[in-house]
Amino acid sequence: KAGVTQTPRYLIKTRGQQVTLSCSPISGHRSVSWYQQTPGQGLQFLFEYFSETQRNKGNFPGRFSGRQFSNSRSEMNVSTLELGDSALYLCASSPLTGQSPLHFGNGTRLTVT
Amino acid sequence: GQNIDQPTEMTATEGAIVQINCTYQTSGFNGLFWYQQHAGEAPTFLSYNVLDGLEEKGRFSSFLSRSKGYSYLLLKELQMKDSASYLCAVRAGANNLFFGTGTRLTVIP
Repeated sequence: KAGVTQTPRYLIKTRGQQVTLSCSPISGHRSVSWYQQTPGQGLQFLFEYFSETQRNKGNFPGRFSGRQFSNSRSEMNVSTLELGDSALYLCASSPLTGQSPLHFGNGTRLTVT
Repeated sequence: GQNIDQPTEMTATEGAIVQINCTYQTSGFNGLFWYQQHAGEAPTFLSYNVLDGLEEKGRFSSFLSRSKGYSYLLLKELQMKDSASYLCAVRAGANNLFFGTGTRLTVIP
């Protein structure tokens, strides 16, 4: 069974631009969560989607948004990029919302210059 | 809010035993997880505790005391490949998973 797939692996953007990250969960998994990982803050929860609905949201500004499609694939969008948005963005899937453990993808490394 | 603390770095010798502690303060506790993350790779699930006590899985064991808000991960017979970051995570509130900043373990010969 294929694992969680995130694309692209690396991304370099300029301040003010926007970016879209993609995540394909493990087949059969309907819950997708997004996390931001930085050296100082660790993994910070962004949001969780289940059956195309956002179930939970972390404490991030409205510039961070996401969506989930009917095939459970998910996208995350960050608008008006800031230097502080440079981080590793991790996607994780699980069969049902609130179920564990989470299965993580290898992440997208975003660098904002 | 959630507060999860674990040491930033630890060093241990190959073949030895190391204990990584995690303390937490949270409302609506619903389970504690340990993940391993090698540099440049995805976190991978190690263990899950929801009741007090010790869970053993091969060389790795995890302990939980809910009354003390305390957990530890015990790694036995350390191998060089165990050098990684170990993440403590607490499920709480609306079933969100909150992570500590991780403990970077270095295993030396």
